[in-house]
Amino acid sequence: DAGITQSPRYKITETGRQVTLMCHQTWSHSYMFWYRQDLGHGLRLIYYSAAADITDKGEVPDGYVVSRSKTENFPLTLESATRSQTSVYFCASSAGDSGNTIYFGEGSWLTVV
Amino acid sequence: QQQVKQSPQSLIVQKGGISIINCAYENTAFDYFPWYQQFPGKGPALLIAIRPDVSEKKEGRFTISFNKSAKQFSLHIMDSQPGDSATYFCAALINGRAQKLVFGQGTRLTINP
Repeated sequence: DAGITQSPRYKITETGRQVTLMCHQTWSHSYMFWYRQDLGHGLRLIYYSAAADITDKGEVPDGYVVSRSKTENFPLTLESATRSQTSVYFCASSAGDSGNTIYFGEGSWLTVV
Repeated sequence: QQQVKQSPQSLIVQKGGISIINCAYENTAFDYFPWYQQFPGKGPALLIAIRPDVSEKKEGRFTISFNKSAKQFSLHIMDSQPGDSATYFCAALINGRAQKLVFGQGTRLTINP
């Protein structure tokens, strides 16, 4: 049972470059999420998706783009990376029913120089 | 706007002691309150959760106390062990609202042997 996997785990990129973080889940969960984790802020929701082809903004969506053409994949793209986007990014998924557990991947460490 | 406020930011407890982490929320529509545990280099994992219709929930050494009128809830770790050293996040969500978790800022717990 692979669960939820993120790639790459570690990435260093330059300001202005486009970066895509991949997320894949094997549970066929309806809901998928992208969070960023920064010291002093906890985890903040960037985007979420309730199903394939349905996405919506979270708390901090600016500078990010998502897509969900298949239920199992939810890539996050930074169209033009900025230093403020240096963070740890977590993908998560949930079956979506009331009170269902939200499962997190192991994170993608992104540094923008 | 921080809808869930968590304290303290860091906590050091002696082995065998009681660790207490507190959270307060603002939105009275929240109806599910999970706690997540995160070890270094890993994603958060669900530890224990409570709904506002009960005042306490216990699972092993972990207990959530919930005070609906004060809009506060806390995590108690009894007989704290070095293996409990991790970052703990409280969270809240509104069921039916796309399972969007709102996290506290996190508490780094260190249990000294």
